[in-house]
Amino acid sequence: AQSVTQPDIHITVSEGASLELRCNYSYGATPYLFWYVQSPGQGLQLLLKYFSGDTLVQGIKGFEAEFKRSQSSFNLRKPSVHWSDAAEYFCAVGAKAAGNKLTFGGGTRVLVKP
Amino acid sequence: DAGVIQSPRHEVTEMGQEVTLRCKPISGHNSLFWYRQTMMRGLELLIYFNNNVPIDDSGMPEDRFSAKMPNASFSTLKIQPSEPRDSAVYFCASSPGDYYNEQFFGPGTRLTVL
Repeated sequence: AQSVTQPDIHITVSEGASLELRCNYSYGATPYLFWYVQSPGQGLQLLLKYFSGDTLVQGIKGFEAEFKRSQSSFNLRKPSVHWSDAAEYFCAVGAKAAGNKLTFGGGTRVLVKP
Repeated sequence: DAGVIQSPRHEVTEMGQEVTLRCKPISGHNSLFWYRQTMMRGLELLIYFNNNVPIDDSGMPEDRFSAKMPNASFSTLKIQPSEPRDSAVYFCASSPGDYYNEQFFGPGTRLTVL
């Protein structure tokens, strides 16, 4: 079965600084990887997804993520953080063998300092 | 497109009462998911349906929980009797159905059981 680990529970970053959120997955074959964002009081919204091809994936709101098979990682990055990026971020993995299910990581809460 | 619709948005009830949460998926989506989110346990998949049929209910905590999907545009999650430990945010999500497709989340129902 697949699993997802987000090592950082909380991250605090200054507005304008860069942000990197870590995600490690465990799965025997090529996974399908997602990053979601959850703003306070709202549901989850997809930022980006990776299935195949170019390992650097661009998403909405200026986010990007890089798939590194050798490290079993799919880290999320943003070059310059805005105050509105304060939210919780979830990495998720899907797999053909799992049908339509996604396995979510525990989430990383991002706080943005002015 | 209205997105995934959930009702009620907030529910406060007393221990022992029956609670029914409702979800209307996005039209044309054939997979529907119920999740529960708490601080302690994070985001948990309770059950998912494909073409109105329950495929995996291994996440349903106990017999007090039941879910139905009588047609493609409506699903319910029922808790009877409710307990304080059921207090959480319950999300419904829908997906076009293929395993590599994103899930679209509703705004959630915040349930408080006193």
